[in-house]
Amino acid sequence: DSGVTQTPKHLITATGQRVTLRCSPRSGDLSVYWYQQSLDQGLQFLIQYYNGEERAKGNILERFSAQQFPDLHSELNLSSLELGDSALYFCASSVEGGRGAYNEQFFGPGTRLTVL
Amino acid sequence: AQKITQTQPGMFVQEKEAVTLDCTYDTSDPSYGLFWYKQPSSGEMIFLIYQGSYDQQNATEGRYSLNFQKARKSANLVISASQLGDSAMYFCAMRHPSGGSYIPTFGRGTSLIVHP
Repeated sequence: DSGVTQTPKHLITATGQRVTLRCSPRSGDLSVYWYQQSLDQGLQFLIQYYNGEERAKGNILERFSAQQFPDLHSELNLSSLELGDSALYFCASSVEGGRGAYNEQFFGPGTRLTVL
Repeated sequence: AQKITQTQPGMFVQEKEAVTLDCTYDTSDPSYGLFWYKQPSSGEMIFLIYQGSYDQQNATEGRYSLNFQKARKSANLVISASQLGDSAMYFCAMRHPSGGSYIPTFGRGTSLIVHP
């Protein structure tokens, strides 16, 4: 158990809908990262928050947004969902802020999103 | 653009033998970090080992070692004395500078199966 929790574990929804994925980092970790893992695209970094502020951005679509709250939990919002958004969405956390090459991240169990 | 290549989609190894998983990377940044992660069938991502671009010695963590050849831009993972529990997907990743921070890029992974 990494100490990172993600809810829900599974989510099934329809095209055009909006969903929210939730992540709670390990105690003491200030950074939260979101990843998407799909058969087509592999594992892709989406976005990072550090202590409530956006720190780095990867291949995140405009239909997707995230935020980190004062209690450090984070939410990833996915809107206007398409079939291709079906994937495993991981959250990870770290103590480091991400401004260096070294960064040990602890991954949550993931949320499996299925868009029908 | 930064890129990670894992050329072996699948590898087989006999229990107790050593196995090498290949990873090559492409970057023009002098500062970067190389990581290996393990993803068992249960889905979680587990950090295995890290090598910084300025590190002179190859990283080792228990049965895992990273064969870092900077001039060839390769960062192969060596697993010694394979165990049945090593059967999993293995991902090579590189953290590289981007917009004042560092972001990760992942390879497509190698599936390792350990035979008894």
